[in-house]
Amino acid sequence: AQKITQTQPGMFVQEKEAVTLDCTYDTSDPSYGLFWYKQPSSGEMIFLIYQGSYDQQNATEGRYSLNFQKARKSANLVISASQLGDSAMYFCAMISPNFGNEKLTFGTGTRLTIIP
Amino acid sequence: NAGVTQTPKFQVLKTGQSMTLQCAQDMNHEYMSWYRQDPGMGLRLIHYSVGAGITDQGEVPNGYNVSRSTTEDFPLRLLSAAPSQTSVYFCASTNDRGGNQPQHFGDGTRLSIL
Repeated sequence: AQKITQTQPGMFVQEKEAVTLDCTYDTSDPSYGLFWYKQPSSGEMIFLIYQGSYDQQNATEGRYSLNFQKARKSANLVISASQLGDSAMYFCAMISPNFGNEKLTFGTGTRLTIIP
Repeated sequence: NAGVTQTPKFQVLKTGQSMTLQCAQDMNHEYMSWYRQDPGMGLRLIHYSVGAGITDQGEVPNGYNVSRSTTEDFPLRLLSAAPSQTSVYFCASTNDRGGNQPQHFGDGTRLSIL
């Protein structure tokens, strides 16, 4: 089995500050992938960033970076210089070969609110 | 490029009615999935398909049927709607079973069962 845990149901952050959203995972597979998705109030799921378990470096995509600590089984999302448009739900998700790479397991999400 | 298209966007049903949620993708993706999103529970996998003619159950399959007659389409059928099936439903697709590419999601169908 595999599991994703997001322990922050909600966060309030001042605009322009950096944000860290926590994600821990559990899997017995040595090979796996971790994703972060953003869900704004309009409801669509927007892919943000991906980290493979064998990737040597932490993934980065613009203002998003993934703080991947394999030994601790954590894959925290870091948003630099937060903007009002970053207010949304954020989901961490994973895949693994034994579970089926076409099947995502999601965490329960973190609702991020950026304060002007 | 439309990506993943879901119809309808909203639907209200009465208990016991049946309906089909439509999902179509124009990216020639092999792998398609249906998820449901309930408050406080994240997204959970209902059914998935690894290619035309091949489907399998996910985490919460009861009360739902799927079929995959073409690469493009992956409809989800509710056989006899129940209030517990009130949810937001997302269809997703990907062409990478290696897991390096993200799943592309449709905009969702908000379904209410009275």
